[in-house]
Amino acid sequence: DIQMTQSPSSLSASVGDRVTITCRASQIITNYLNWYQQKPGKAPELLIYATSRLQSGVPSRFSGSGSGTDFTLTISSLQPEDYATYYCQQSYSTPRTFGQGTKVEIE
Amino acid sequence: QVLLVQSEAEVKMPGASVRVSCKASGYIFTTYGISWVRQAPGQGLSWMGWINTENGDTNYAQILQGRVTMARDTSTGTAYMELRSLRSDDTAVYYCARRLIYDSSIGRAFDVWGQGTMVTVSS
Repeated sequence: DIQMTQSPSSLSASVGDRVTITCRASQIITNYLNWYQQKPGKAPELLIYATSRLQSGVPSRFSGSGSGTDFTLTISSLQPEDYATYYCQQSYSTPRTFGQGTKVEIE
Repeated sequence: QVLLVQSEAEVKMPGASVRVSCKASGYIFTTYGISWVRQAPGQGLSWMGWINTENGDTNYAQILQGRVTMARDTSTGTAYMELRSLRSDDTAVYYCARRLIYDSSIGRAFDVWGQGTMVTVSS
């Protein structure tokens, strides 16, 4: 199974800050990397697929980059509604595996 | 509007079985597969498997092989997930999610999610 490791596990940031979350795969997954946002008590929502393609309706302050084994989710200017937990997920092979999550909290 | 609506919460005894349903609306059911993902309390997301809604083919996570069955009813646009021989560590929120194919190779993502069904296993 491909292991996905996110860092940090949590972070505190203020509104307007630039936030970066990293995801590393245990083997090369080319660009088959997706990002999800989950708010407490809610289902996850797809933010970015194929490393950098923004899902319809997702604000442009979210962006993704990377290839091979190392990937990044960036929020250019953190907004109050962005406080949530973010998960990366690989779609290179089954079982589909997720990172452990990064919780973004208010500073 | 594309929606996946899941069945209500369940409480089960250890050793019992549970079946969770996931009714799709707002799109042609057989044009997208349905995946199942679970989340134990306070934990991350874990993929359980998926079903091809067109032909019924399934692919299960190895860790659940022999205990899980996924099925679908194309006449009602509903997917089902049954988990047997329940244990306390099966306590989780179970989600169905639509399987987006974004390229002709292996590009997949979960683009629409159900609201989740809490399954509690307790004696």
